[in-house]
Amino acid sequence: NAGVTQTPKFQVLKTGQSMTLQCAQDMNHEYMSWYRQDPGMGLRLIHYSVGAGITDQGEVPNGYNVSRSTTEDFPLRLLSAAPSQTSVYFCASSYGDPGELFFGEGSRLTVL
Amino acid sequence: RKEVEQDPGPFNVPEGATVAFNCTYSNSASQSFFWYRQDCRKEPKLLMSVYSSGNEDGRFTAQLNRASQYISLLIRDSKLSDSATYLCVVNPPGGFKTIFGAGTRLFVKA
Repeated sequence: NAGVTQTPKFQVLKTGQSMTLQCAQDMNHEYMSWYRQDPGMGLRLIHYSVGAGITDQGEVPNGYNVSRSTTEDFPLRLLSAAPSQTSVYFCASSYGDPGELFFGEGSRLTVL
Repeated sequence: RKEVEQDPGPFNVPEGATVAFNCTYSNSASQSFFWYRQDCRKEPKLLMSVYSSGNEDGRFTAQLNRASQYISLLIRDSKLSDSATYLCVVNPPGGFKTIFGAGTRLFVKA
């Protein structure tokens, strides 16, 4: 059972570089979301999608782009990495209530 | 005021103890509520949903108090394996922008 798969698990970037965090789910969930988790701040919603072709901003969308061309995939793009984007990123999906989430294992990003 | 607030702890309890966490939320129109568990350096995992009538799953009981705008999680007969961070989750009106609390750390000791 693959569930939600995130890649890469670890990444180090230099300031100004761009990259894409990949997220795929095989559960046919319509709702998908990206969170970042920083010490003492809990998980904060970056972007979410309620289905293919539909995305919207969460609490902290600046510096990130998303797209949803298929039900399965929801990549997160960092346009020009900044040290403030050093964090652990989690992708999640849900089949019903967006509060009942299945999470990927996370991607640890360091921006130097 | 944060939209969802939790006591960060840590709560240090002996095995077999009963421990309770509260979580307050600011938006009275919030629609659904959940508790998640997160182990160190792992992803959060859904522990249980919180229904208006309260719900129980083995040693875990969750309750919702809409009048006072808080949810609670009670853990009975604590096990070493219950050591984790417990995250409170609230769905605001509109239902898509799920909000996580910062979590409460629990340490259960032998």
